[in-house]
Amino acid sequence: AQSVTQPDIHITVSEGASLELRCNYSYGATPYLFWYVQSPGQGLQLLLKYFSGDTLVQGIKGFEAEFKRSQSSFNLRKPSVHWSDAAEYFCAVGGPNFGNEKLTFGTGTRLTIIP
Amino acid sequence: DTGVSQNPRHKITKRGQNVTFRCDPISEHNRLYWYRQTLGQGPEFLTYFQNEAQLEKSRLLSDRFSAERPKGSFSTLEIQRTEQGDSAMYLCASSPWGPSGLTDTQYFGPGTRLTVL
Repeated sequence: AQSVTQPDIHITVSEGASLELRCNYSYGATPYLFWYVQSPGQGLQLLLKYFSGDTLVQGIKGFEAEFKRSQSSFNLRKPSVHWSDAAEYFCAVGGPNFGNEKLTFGTGTRLTIIP
Repeated sequence: DTGVSQNPRHKITKRGQNVTFRCDPISEHNRLYWYRQTLGQGPEFLTYFQNEAQLEKSRLLSDRFSAERPKGSFSTLEIQRTEQGDSAMYLCASSPWGPSGLTDTQYFGPGTRLTVL
């Protein structure tokens, strides 16, 4: 069965500082990996996705993520955070073996930005 | 592209009542998904449709839950005899599906927050 672990429940970062959110997955083959962001009371917005190819993927709002097969990780990074980045971030896994119908999400990391 | 829409955005009901939620997917997307998200958790898969066919249901979807997508466009999720444990955010998503058999990115709606008193 596929699973996702986001080890950090809550992270606090100063505005302008760099950010890295961790994501580890378990999947039997090459996964499809996603990062979504959720603002309070809102649905999920896709930040970026990895299907194949270049292991460093660029997303919206200046985010990037790197797929490391050897570490089963797909960490999200941003060089300089803005106050508007405060939100809940979810990593998700799907994949061709399962047709990508069923995304499995981690429990999320809540990001707080301090001035 | 107007995005995925869901109605209502909020629903408060008393235990034992029936509720129905509606999801309108992105118009050209033939796959539609329902997820449930409880407080402090990530979304959990409930069910999905390809056009009007319901292809998979999670064990989370008890007999009190039913989902339909009668014409392959909008979908409804009904919960009968609601229980307090049904209180959650119900999220709908849609995606395209091509002849290669592989689905693409799921795009989510804003969700319907259900509170069962």
